[in-house]
Amino acid sequence: AQTVTQSQPEMSVQEAETVTLSCTYDTSESDYYLFWYKQPPSRQMILVIRQEAYKQQNATENRFSVNFQKAAKSFSLKISDSQLGDAAMYFCAYRSLIQGAQKLVFGQGTRLTINP
Amino acid sequence: NAGVTQTPKFRILKIGQSMTLQCTQDMNHNYMYWYRQDPGMGLKLIYYSVGAGITDKGEVPNGYNVSRSTTEDFPLRLELAAPSQTSVYFCASSYGRQVGGTQYFGPGTRLTVL
Repeated sequence: AQTVTQSQPEMSVQEAETVTLSCTYDTSESDYYLFWYKQPPSRQMILVIRQEAYKQQNATENRFSVNFQKAAKSFSLKISDSQLGDAAMYFCAYRSLIQGAQKLVFGQGTRLTINP
Repeated sequence: NAGVTQTPKFRILKIGQSMTLQCTQDMNHNYMYWYRQDPGMGLKLIYYSVGAGITDKGEVPNGYNVSRSTTEDFPLRLELAAPSQTSVYFCASSYGRQVGGTQYFGPGTRLTVL
């Protein structure tokens, strides 16, 4: 079974600086999706960024980018020019493409605090 | 589009009571899911459906039931509520696993069982 590990329960960063959140995963599959979701105090799960495992190019969405290292099974999220609205819980998630494995496997989450 | 909507937002149940959590999506997604999130944890899959009339168990299905009579609706039924079911429940939907792969979430229902 796949597992996702986020080793940083909490992180903090000064406003306008850059922060990187770590995520590692374990799988024997060669094709899959990886996601970062943001959960603000409202509890809404918001998709931040998505990476297809077959793509070597790292995904980017405005200030958010990932460092996807397939061989190392690592999927970190970099937030540039941090803003107060970025404060939230961040979850890394894995999705298999195998028939019957229709679920997201989540990490434990990292709570990100932005200091003004 | 409203996306994925859930009702109610909050609910308090007594032990042994039953209730249904409602979930509706208007994106014409064929896959729908129910997750629960316990305090300080990530989400765990309860049940999922790959289309109307087809449902299957996830990681933590005990104490719950689902049905999928239409593409849009995927209600979650709690029978004989127990304190261990105190959690935040999220419904999500997506296209098939090979198309996009992104799951879109509803706003959640906070359930307390006393």
